[in-house]
Amino acid sequence: DVKVTQSSRYLVKRTGEKVFLECVQDMDHENMFWYRQDPGLGLRLIYFSYDVKMKEKGDIPEGYSVSREKKERFSLILESASTNQTSMYLCASSLSDTTYEAFFGQGTRLTVV
Amino acid sequence: GIQVEQSPPDLILQEGANSTLRCNFSDSVNNLQWFHQNPWGQLINLFYIPSGTKQNGRLSATTVATERYSLLYISSSQTTDSGVYFCAVGSGAGSYQLTFGKGTKLSVIP
Repeated sequence: DVKVTQSSRYLVKRTGEKVFLECVQDMDHENMFWYRQDPGLGLRLIYFSYDVKMKEKGDIPEGYSVSREKKERFSLILESASTNQTSMYLCASSLSDTTYEAFFGQGTRLTVV
Repeated sequence: GIQVEQSPPDLILQEGANSTLRCNFSDSVNNLQWFHQNPWGQLINLFYIPSGTKQNGRLSATTVATERYSLLYISSSQTTDSGVYFCAVGSGAGSYQLTFGKGTKLSVIP
């Protein structure tokens, strides 16, 4: 079975802190994604990566950056956390062929106070 | 970009009842998935179904790609089926990027 693991299920950070959300997958998938989920707004794509050291902006990249130094690991970085970044963050991975099926991690509920 | 609409937004069922959830999309798709979000927030894969019909136990799904809709059937519902069901699609060269519908919130009562 594919396993996507996010480093924390719950996280509380202070405004202005630098925050790292980590995601690891064990199936040698090329593609990795970060989404955020907010009530009324649904799931929105922040960033994705299709290869090591490659990244592409999604629909809402402002205030975020990402890092992919190894194929299995994709990090989301909040350079200076703000209260409007309080949200549920979901990481996903998928293969890069004609099978596009994505698998998600358990999610991280981030609260910025 | 592609638009995804799910209906109904909310559904309340008595345990044992059957239900049909619908997903309409605005363009041709190469990727369509159904997910169940559990109470802890994780998205659980139900079906990868860009076309055709699949069944898994009490759940089945059908996608009619030419008419741009997909249906998720839940038979003999159980309280553990409660949660939010999402349809997500990918289209064109970026088919690995998913666009999500707003979800259907299902509540199954004993």
